Amino acid sequence: GQQLNQSPQSMFIQEGEDVSMNCTSSSIFNTWLWYKQDPGEGPVLLIALYKAGELTSNGRLTAQFGTTRKDSFLNISASIPSDVGIYFCAVRLSGTYKYIFGTGTRLKVLA
Amino acid sequence: NAGVTQTPKFQVLKTGQSMTLQCAQDMNHNSMYWYRQDPGMGLRLIYYSASEGTTDKGEVPNGYNVSRLNKREFSLRLESAAPSQTSVYFCASSEEAGGSTDTQYFGPGTRLTVL
Repeated sequence: GQQLNQSPQSMFIQEGEDVSMNCTSSSIFNTWLWYKQDPGEGPVLLIALYKAGELTSNGRLTAQFGTTRKDSFLNISASIPSDVGIYFCAVRLSGTYKYIFGTGTRLKVLA
Repeated sequence: NAGVTQTPKFQVLKTGQSMTLQCAQDMNHNSMYWYRQDPGMGLRLIYYSASEGTTDKGEVPNGYNVSRLNKREFSLRLESAAPSQTSVYFCASSEEAGGSTDTQYFGPGTRLTVL
């Protein structure tokens, strides 16, 4: 089936550092989503992207919809301890109501 | 406003037992979804209901059945549980499947272990 590959799988960073992660696919998608999951909770939508090349910010988070429509990137600036969690990318299969999620990037922040 | 609620929070079953996971949302959303989350695999869609009265298979439907009881409630049933169904199950809802917003609101999850 279709897969979304996220990298890195996990990362440890110091508080205050910037973070970059990405999500790639072998297929083209027209909707890219980024979610965050806190430990023991369900995912929460951070940013939705609908246009190739689009750059969208939400506070310290910035996400970009790749120009090839096969990838997306998420950056977190000046990380803080509450940024800890798993970050998932997701796409909607065109013409359907189905979503595919990536395998996640696990972020740990060292104070 | 509770959002999406799921019961139970935890469950242990023996192989072959059956059970129903309950999900309810109070946001008047049309669409509801069931996902499972396994370590290192992200979330995988089991079934979804685009609107009241309709259900459709997702990526991993085998071994499960669903019922969209009304607009608020969407249940997931395991008829004969297997160890491979040990997972964390999340229910989600959205205003309109494939509409102008793709925002799904997730419940807190049900942690199921099948022995």
